[in-house]
Amino acid sequence: EAGVTQFPSHSVIEKGQTVTLRCDPISGHDNLYWYRRVMGKEIKFLLHFVKESKQDESGMPNNRFLAERTGGTYSTLKVQPAELEDSGVYFCASSRGLGLSYEQYFGPGTRLTVT
Amino acid sequence: GNSVTQMEGPVTLSEEAFLTINCTYTATGYPSLFWYVQYPGEGLQLLLKATKADDKGSNKGFEATYRKETTSFHLEKGSVQVSDSAVYFCALNRDDKIIFGKGTRLHILP
Repeated sequence: EAGVTQFPSHSVIEKGQTVTLRCDPISGHDNLYWYRRVMGKEIKFLLHFVKESKQDESGMPNNRFLAERTGGTYSTLKVQPAELEDSGVYFCASSRGLGLSYEQYFGPGTRLTVT
Repeated sequence: GNSVTQMEGPVTLSEEAFLTINCTYTATGYPSLFWYVQYPGEGLQLLLKATKADDKGSNKGFEATYRKETTSFHLEKGSVQVSDSAVYFCALNRDDKIIFGKGTRLHILP
């Protein structure tokens, strides 16, 4: 079974530009999560999809961030326009169900550098 | 609110040394507790977990015990190997969100 994949692995953009991150969850996993680790800080929850619906987007920092999961398969996270403080590692995770019986499986992350 | 505090790194040890990485948490109710590990170039992997007080999670020689009275979940290993070099994250689960500590980088010298 393939794991969670993320693309690109690393992105360097200038302030004001747009970047789109992609996450492909494990096949059959309805739940998809985005997390972010800003340098020196904790990994923080951004949002949670159940299939194509946003279940919880309480961690999204501001309206420059737009997450989608059309069709309930892969997800994209767009940052527009990017700011310096958006630099960090963006992790995606997926799980088959909700609750403690279902582990969240993480991808390798996308390292975003805004200059 | 819910939060996790873990010892700052980096931690550098010689091979076969004893490892402890301290972790304490603040949470409403009784969350499940986790240790995740991120090896170089890889994603986060669940290392071990404990779901209730006094539970001991273990995996790959690592252990951690859920201590409600001290709100702690310290990670231990009796004899570390070079291959254990990684970043370790203590975490708790609240409403299907995972709340992480800042991570501790571990270097094991041969």
